Amino acid sequence: QVQLQESGPGLLKPSETLSLTCVVSGYSISSGYYWGWIRQPPGKGLEWIGSIYHTGSTSYSPSLKSRVTVSMETSKNQFSLKLSSVSVADTAMFYCARGSSGYVENHFDYWGQGILVTVSS
Amino acid sequence: EIVLTQSPGTLSLSPGERATLSCRASETVSHRYLAWYQQKPGQAPRLLISGASGRVIGIPDRFTGSGSGTDFSLTISRLEPEDSAVYYCQQYGTLPLTFGGGTKVEIK
Repeated sequence: QVQLQESGPGLLKPSETLSLTCVVSGYSISSGYYWGWIRQPPGKGLEWIGSIYHTGSTSYSPSLKSRVTVSMETSKNQFSLKLSSVSVADTAMFYCARGSSGYVENHFDYWGQGILVTVSS
Repeated sequence: EIVLTQSPGTLSLSPGERATLSCRASETVSHRYLAWYQQKPGQAPRLLISGASGRVIGIPDRFTGSGSGTDFSLTISRLEPEDSAVYYCQQYGTLPLTFGGGTKVEIK
């Protein structure tokens, strides 16, 4: 059973860098599939942030690309998200998820429970 | 990017009734790469349908996906109280991956 668990600070100030980690259990991320981050502002819809393949290849949403870095640490079976220069508009629930294939163009079949990140001065 | 518009915004129906949710794309979704998710309050989205009509293992057969091109739909044939949720469509035929705004299904 594939399980994902997000962790990181829940409160940031504007202009700080958001750093989240997703620990995967039940599957070795170095074996394949894309691994992604999706966010959901309170009461709103879902937005794809970016994904990473086990080779380290990444793909990002154009609207966030200038501020986003997704990386992975296969020895710890985890991948991470960094979002720089956050503002109040970045307040959201952040989910990590497994892409359903070895192509970046995929849907997500396993999701973490999510972590709420609030940006406030 | 492909914009997905879901309608209606909210659907309020009684148990046993049929729900039809629409997802319209701003351009053709290649290969019918359209997925549907169910999200209940306080929970992560749950994958229901992939490839427009492929039901995920374990999803009840009252959930049916259909469509192609720019018009897709999710039908819940006999609503049950546990179907109360927000449903999202997602296209994965073209980057960036995009989601619809969601349809809330309320059970009277």
